[in-house]
Amino acid sequence: SQTIHQWPATLVQPVGSPLSLECTVEGTSNPNLYWYRQAAGRGLQLLFYSVGIGQISSEVPQNLSASRPQDRQFILSSKKLLLSDSGFYLCAWSVPLGGAYNEQFFGPGTRLTVL
Amino acid sequence: AQTVTQSQPEMSVQEAETVTLSCTYDTSESDYYLFWYKQPPSRQMILVIRQEAYKQQNATENRFSVNFQKAAKSFSLKISDSQLGDAAMYFCAYRIANAGGTSYGKLTFGQGTILTVHP
Repeated sequence: SQTIHQWPATLVQPVGSPLSLECTVEGTSNPNLYWYRQAAGRGLQLLFYSVGIGQISSEVPQNLSASRPQDRQFILSSKKLLLSDSGFYLCAWSVPLGGAYNEQFFGPGTRLTVL
Repeated sequence: AQTVTQSQPEMSVQEAETVTLSCTYDTSESDYYLFWYKQPPSRQMILVIRQEAYKQQNATENRFSVNFQKAAKSFSLKISDSQLGDAAMYFCAYRIANAGGTSYGKLTFGQGTILTVHP
């Protein structure tokens, strides 16, 4: 069965510090991968998605970047955090082709607080 | 651009009663998928139910069912025999169907509805 991991679960960082959040998926190959941010417990905003190694698409211009160095690894980074980067970050995966729904399966999330 | 609107920020229901959560969406596409996700206090997103736009029949999963009105672009979720474990934030989401055989499966989410279940 497929599982998705995220770490760390919780992170407190000072403004201006770098960031690296990691997401890995097990039990599937060539998944589509996604990073979302959820602010103040409300809706999810898609930040990045990837359909393959080294292929990253950004949905909104921001202070963050993403990378996919391996097939089942997705990393969210920042060189200098802003207060507005605080939030709950969710990683998700889906089957790229086939399957009627292509529903997304979510990781447990990382709560980031920037002080 | 596709948008999803959940007009009820909060809803409450008595245990064992029925509650309906509303969702409307805006799209110019004819083929798409709709989802309801549940986010309990643990914040893990859990898929509750899904619907294909080209299917007339409303989806049902145990106590969860949807009322899909394609012309009205409405996709409400009905929870029957509500249980304490149903308390969560519920998100409606939309995804365009595959285009050209490849889809990255982008989901557009509503803002969510917080459901409280009273014993």
